[in-house]
This record gives sequence, structure tokens and C-alpha cells, in this order.
Amino acid sequence: GAVVSQHPSWVICKSGTSVKIECRSLDFQATTMFWYRQFPKQSLMLMATSNEGSKATYEQGVEKDKFLINHASLTLSTLTVTSAHPEDSSFYICSAPLAGGRSSYEQYFGPGTRLTVT
Amino acid sequence: AQKITQTQPGMFVQEKEAVTLDCTYDTSDPSYGLFWYKQPSSGEMIFLIYQGSYDQQNATEGRYSLNFQKARKSANLVISASQLGDSAMYFCAMRVLNSGYSTLTFGKGTMLLVSP
Repeated sequence: GAVVSQHPSWVICKSGTSVKIECRSLDFQATTMFWYRQFPKQSLMLMATSNEGSKATYEQGVEKDKFLINHASLTLSTLTVTSAHPEDSSFYICSAPLAGGRSSYEQYFGPGTRLTVT
Repeated sequence: AQKITQTQPGMFVQEKEAVTLDCTYDTSDPSYGLFWYKQPSSGEMIFLIYQGSYDQQNATEGRYSLNFQKARKSANLVISASQLGDSAMYFCAMRVLNSGYSTLTFGKGTMLLVSP
């Protein structure tokens, strides 16, 4: 089946620094990718929709200048958390839909990146 | 806007027994899809089962079945013959199907613990 990878799987950074998280579709092309954030014991909340070749669409309340999204190719989207603060510590998950067949309604999730800001 | 409600924060079941995880949804769109995902402690989201709003029969995937009651707007997940490895967080989700790659809306989840 389709595979989505994320890198790194976990990262610890100091407050005020920036962290880049990569999301790759390994065996299919994804013109759209989604970025979610999940705080402990909570559900997944959509942060933004990443569109290849165009600007990302951010959900209400998500700071686009803080969470920079770049979808530079059909297989790679990156999320950069700029000037990270402890409250940004969370589990970040990306997903990508695969066109065609049964998969047209299914999204494939990456394994997630656990960010801890000290 | 879509809304998913999971009213059970936690459920306990003994190994080999069946368990039902509740999910109700709300949408004004007639074309939608309902999903169940399993999230173990590792964090990965594992797709379990899908039900389309126009599907006539309830979806089944191995030990998983979806009890779809459209008039009640419910999409409960039934796990038969529970296994210890089923202990995880379970999320119900939905998305509208008539607008390209629309995103998923998730419920708050139900933590399932399977005991020996």
C-alpha cells in the first residue's frame, strides 16, 4: 500500500529555535498533504492543507508565519515551526490522499513527529 | 461544518469478547465518508474501516465491522474477538466526498483497554 514517511520521528529543541519536519509520499505523488497537530490525550486537529506549487491553506487560529509550510514537489511537504516555544510541544502528523480506486477516499498517514521544546 | 462525537472516553473489554465503540456524526452534506482509525501508543494512525454514505451494506474488515445507522447518524465500530493488541486509542472520522481532497474531521477518541 501507499507509504508516507516523516522525518524526524522525534526532536527536542530549545525555545526560540526553528524546527523543520519533512513529510514524504514514498511511492505515489501527492499534490495535497495535510498537517495535523495532536496534544497529549487529545484528538488530531487540522493545522493546514499543503498544496504543491501554491500557498498552504491554514485553519483558523493557526499562525501561518509561525508554522511555515512548503510543498515544493509532488512527494515532499515540509512544516517549519519557527521560534518554537514550549507550548508548541506536540505530536505532528502529516497525511496524503491517493487518487484512484478505493484509495480515493482514504488518506495515508505518516508515523508522526514528536516535538519537545525545552 | 462536520462534527464527530465519541462519548466514551474509555472502554474495557476482556480478551475474546466483542466491544462496540460509539460514534455519532453531523453533517448537512449528503455525500460523505466515515472512517475508523486505530492509534497505538507509538502514535501511528492505522486505517481500520470505511463506510460511504450511499453504501447499502455495513462495512466489514476482518474482525472489524461498522454498524451504520444513517437515520440516527451513527457509525459504531464493532470489534469481535478482542485481542490484547487491540488496546489503543480509536478515532472516528468523517469527510465530505464531493469536494476533492477535503480533510478529515476527527472525534475525540475512545481509549480501549483489552484485559487477559
